[in-house]
Amino acid sequence: AQKITQTQPGMFVQEKEAVTLDCTYDTSDQSYGLFWYKQPSSGEMIFLIYQGSYDEQNATEGRYSLNFQKARKSANLVISASQLGDSAMYFCAMRRGEIPYDKVIFGPGTSLSVIP
Amino acid sequence: DAGVIQSPRHEVTEMGQEVTLRCKPISGHDYLFWYRQTMMRGLELLIYFNNNVPIDDSGMPEDRFSAKMPNASFSTLKIQPSEPRDSAVYFCASSLAGGLNEQFFGPGTRLTVL
Repeated sequence: AQKITQTQPGMFVQEKEAVTLDCTYDTSDQSYGLFWYKQPSSGEMIFLIYQGSYDEQNATEGRYSLNFQKARKSANLVISASQLGDSAMYFCAMRRGEIPYDKVIFGPGTSLSVIP
Repeated sequence: DAGVIQSPRHEVTEMGQEVTLRCKPISGHDYLFWYRQTMMRGLELLIYFNNNVPIDDSGMPEDRFSAKMPNASFSTLKIQPSEPRDSAVYFCASSLAGGLNEQFFGPGTRLTVL
């Protein structure tokens, strides 16, 4: 069965510092996608970054990068130069590559607080 | 594009009443997902559709919950009868097919059952 684990229920980071949010996953599929979403206190779910299982390079999107270690089945999110607006819940998700059974499962989330 | 549209944004009802939540996916997306989010259980996938056909409804909690997608631009999630434990935020999301594509979420419906 597929599973996403986020072992850090809550994290604190000083403004302008970098922070790493952990995500490990379990799947027997060869083709899958890994995603990170941000949920601020206002409640909306915002897509941040994506990594495909066959991608050899780590994904980057602005201040976000994904540290993908396929053999270890980890997909950690790195936020550089943290800002106060980064305070939010962060969810790691995985999507199967097998259409139409490409359901998405989410981890329990990590609450990030950025301290001025 | 306007994004995923959900209505109502807030719903307060009394136990035993029927509740209908509505969703309009992004045009051209062939997948639609319904999620429920609570503090205790996190984000749970209830059901998802591909080309208007339900693919997996194993997350639907019980027979009181039903979902339909009569066409590519509209879906409903119905709870009948509602119970206080159904209080949650219900999200609808849509996407293109395949593991490469992210989901786009609607703003959610906050349901309170008294």
